Amino acid sequence: GENVEQHPSTLSVQEGDSAVIKCTYSDSASNYFPWYKQELGKRPQLIIDIRSNVGEKKDQRIAVTLNKTAKHFSLHITETQPEDSAVYFCAASTPGNTPLVFGKGTRLSVIA
Amino acid sequence: GAVVSQHPSRVICKSGTSVKIECRSLDFQATTMFWYRQFPKQSLMLMATSNEGSKATYEQGVEKDKFLINHASLTLSTLTVTSAHPEDSSFYICSTSPHNEQFFGPGTRLTVL
Repeated sequence: GENVEQHPSTLSVQEGDSAVIKCTYSDSASNYFPWYKQELGKRPQLIIDIRSNVGEKKDQRIAVTLNKTAKHFSLHITETQPEDSAVYFCAASTPGNTPLVFGKGTRLSVIA
Repeated sequence: GAVVSQHPSRVICKSGTSVKIECRSLDFQATTMFWYRQFPKQSLMLMATSNEGSKATYEQGVEKDKFLINHASLTLSTLTVTSAHPEDSSFYICSTSPHNEQFFGPGTRLTVL
């Protein structure tokens, strides 16, 4: 089955700097790659996603890139702000009504 | 997107009791719902896939007789944690997946004393 690896597990950046989180996946049939932000005690919130027919997607300060050949995808947050501090999860799923397989998460701390 | 509710949001129970968690799809007919579990400072792990009108599919290592799943209608799936023990204390989240994108319920924080 699918295996998703996520790095780093923790990341500290200065406010205004960029943050990059990387994930790899194992199942070449996976075609949907969302990123979630989770605050303590709350459900994961989708912040951006990408499908396998696209190589890059951007939404304001957040961007995701996908390399299908290498089976890895990355989250880029620019101009980080203290409110970006949270745990971020990448995930992958195959076509159809299938569950997500999550990475282990990255705890991002943005230092003011 | 789909709206998913979950009840209760928080429950504290004594060891040995059973707890039922409800997951409702409010605006989408969900033939399939997913149940995840998240221990503190860990990731979400799929427990089981709930299928309307048929038996649930459990992931390896998840006891089907302990975590009873019922999906009797297109809008409701329930997870019952039977004979709960402290090690079952966790955050339980359901989701449904129309068009590949997943929509999560708000989660249930279970604490077993």
